[in-house]
Amino acid sequence: SYELTQPPSVSVSPGQTASIICSGDKLGDRYASWYQQRPGQSPVLVIYQDNKRPSGIPERFSGSNSGNTATLTISGTQAMDEADYYCQAWDSSTVVFGGGTKLTVL
Amino acid sequence: QVQLQESGPGLVKPSETLSLTCSVSGGSISSHYWSWIRQPPGKGLEWIGYMYYTGTTNYNPSLKSRVTISFDTSRTQFSLKLTSVTPADTAVYFCARQHCSGGSCYYGTWFDPWGQGTLVTVSS
Repeated sequence: SYELTQPPSVSVSPGQTASIICSGDKLGDRYASWYQQRPGQSPVLVIYQDNKRPSGIPERFSGSNSGNTATLTISGTQAMDEADYYCQAWDSSTVVFGGGTKLTVL
Repeated sequence: QVQLQESGPGLVKPSETLSLTCSVSGGSISSHYWSWIRQPPGKGLEWIGYMYYTGTTNYNPSLKSRVTISFDTSRTQFSLKLTSVTPADTAVYFCARQHCSGGSCYYGTWFDPWGQGTLVTVSS
């Protein structure tokens, strides 16, 4: 079965750029989506179809996908961006989620 | 704006059937996919399956033998049934609207919005 791999944790200083990667075999041939989940809350879509931002998501969130890696980039990271982030893709008629990355803003 | 709300028992005994309902408000069930996703405490997300508004279903192969997703007759709610549950099925269960680009999830699929989630504990 298809797997998406994320680092368990990423740390970033306020105002700096955070990059969260998601790895999977030929992931660049598929479309990736990203979700933000704050503690005790439901996931919120922040990026879909690799690099599209839903209405209401700040411009500091961007995405890319090529080769075996999709990347979520948060520019000018704010304290409110501290959360778990999950990547997601479609494979063989099944939805696959990455294991999640905890972003810490210190 | 579409809003989703899960409801159902918070405690289910092992070997019994877990039943949850998702109420859809602010929009129509037509022309979309409607999904269930779960998250065990402290762990990641797992897609359970979807029902398309036409009635077509698609389930996670790992759960397929135990899962049924269906609409109610009013088509303002959809439900999840998971049979023969064990403690491993303890999780927060979310319902969500699933989008598939151009009518095919191959061209991109994503979930928005999500319900608030409901915790279901499997224990005797």
